[in-house]
Amino acid sequence: AQTVTQSQPEMSVQEAETVTLSCTYDTSESNYYLFWYKQPPSRQMILVIRQEAYKQQNATENRFSVNFQKAAKSFSLKISDSQLGDTAMYFCAFMKHTGNYKLSFGAGTTVTVRA
Amino acid sequence: DTGVSQNPRHKITKRGQNVTFRCDPISEHNRLYWYRQTLGQGPEFLTYFQNEAQLEKSRLLSDRFSAERPKGSFSTLEIQRTEQGDSAMYLCASSKVGWDRVNTEAFFGQGTRLTVV
Repeated sequence: AQTVTQSQPEMSVQEAETVTLSCTYDTSESNYYLFWYKQPPSRQMILVIRQEAYKQQNATENRFSVNFQKAAKSFSLKISDSQLGDTAMYFCAFMKHTGNYKLSFGAGTTVTVRA
Repeated sequence: DTGVSQNPRHKITKRGQNVTFRCDPISEHNRLYWYRQTLGQGPEFLTYFQNEAQLEKSRLLSDRFSAERPKGSFSTLEIQRTEQGDSAMYLCASSKVGWDRVNTEAFFGQGTRLTVV
């Protein structure tokens, strides 16, 4: 079974600043996907960024980027130029490359962007 | 709206009653997943369907829980004899797995928040 650990329950950042969320995972799989999902208050979960384990290059989506360290089983998310709309709960998730494609989530990190 | 739709958004029920939730996935998606999310936690996998076939159930899904996807389109999740421990957000997600077994992004609904009193 895969486990995903997010050790930061809450993070606060000033608008326009940068915040980094940490995530570690445990798996015996060699190929898999990692995700960061955003869940705003009372709204549905949306995908922020996706990384395929066999790709060396770190994924980037606009102001969101990841630092994927496969050997260390670490997958952190950096939010640059934070905006008020980034306030949400952020979940790190793991998915095997084949099979049922179910997501295993961490406990989440609540990010609050201050004006 | 072509996203994943879940109804109702909120449900309050008395302990011991039965409840049923509905999920309408994105129309061309062949995979449908149910997750449960308790306050302050990440979602936990409950079960999933490939078209109309239920292919896996988590051990979290006790005998009081049943899910169906009768025509490979919408799905229902029923909880019988609800208990206070069933209080949670129930999330539905859908995705498409192609002939090449490549899985697209999972899209989530807004969830059904169940409160058992």
